[in-house]
Amino acid sequence: GQNIDQPTEMTATEGAIVQINCTYQTSGFNGLFWYQQHAGEAPTFLSYNVLDGLEEKGRFSSFLSRSKGYSYLLLKELQMKDSASYLCAVYNAGNMLTFGGGTRLMVKP
Amino acid sequence: NAGVTQTPKFRVLKTGQSMTLLCAQDMNHEYMYWYRQDPGMGLRLIHYSVGEGTTAKGEVPDGYNVSRLKKQNFLLGLESAAPSQTSVYFCAIVPLPAVTEAFFGQGTRLTVV
Repeated sequence: GQNIDQPTEMTATEGAIVQINCTYQTSGFNGLFWYQQHAGEAPTFLSYNVLDGLEEKGRFSSFLSRSKGYSYLLLKELQMKDSASYLCAVYNAGNMLTFGGGTRLMVKP
Repeated sequence: NAGVTQTPKFRVLKTGQSMTLLCAQDMNHEYMYWYRQDPGMGLRLIHYSVGEGTTAKGEVPDGYNVSRLKKQNFLLGLESAAPSQTSVYFCAIVPLPAVTEAFFGQGTRLTVV
């Protein structure tokens, strides 16, 4: 089976940096996704990591360590519009794409 | 999202009624997924398909059936709706294995009374 864990909620200040962690256990890991979801909307794609290391995309970066079953999403220069849920999802060898419970981020002024 | 059409957007069903949700794409991708999302929770995988004519069970398949007769369309069926199936349903399209983008439908808000 699969197990994907994220913190339920986080709070950060506008302009700051926040790191959202995701740990997973799966058979046959292929890749890890991060999505953003604003309340009442569909998720939107942020990143997909296959290999170990950090991938940067503007204010957002995603890190993967396959040996540790660990990923994080790093958000820099936080803006109020970054208040949303952040979803970690694992793609495994059986072609299943399974999500964690999501992390609700609240950005305060 | 451009290229993904999910219908209907809203529906109210009575217990025992049936319905079909449609996810249609114009991007020619193989991998399509159906999820449900309950209030304050993450997405749970119902069924998925890795190509025309293929389907597979996800984490919570009971009470649902799917079909992928055409590559562009992935249908999710509820044969006999139950109040426990009240949820928001999303389809996802993922251009695996080389992913630079991924797409979700806008969601179907289903209420079973």
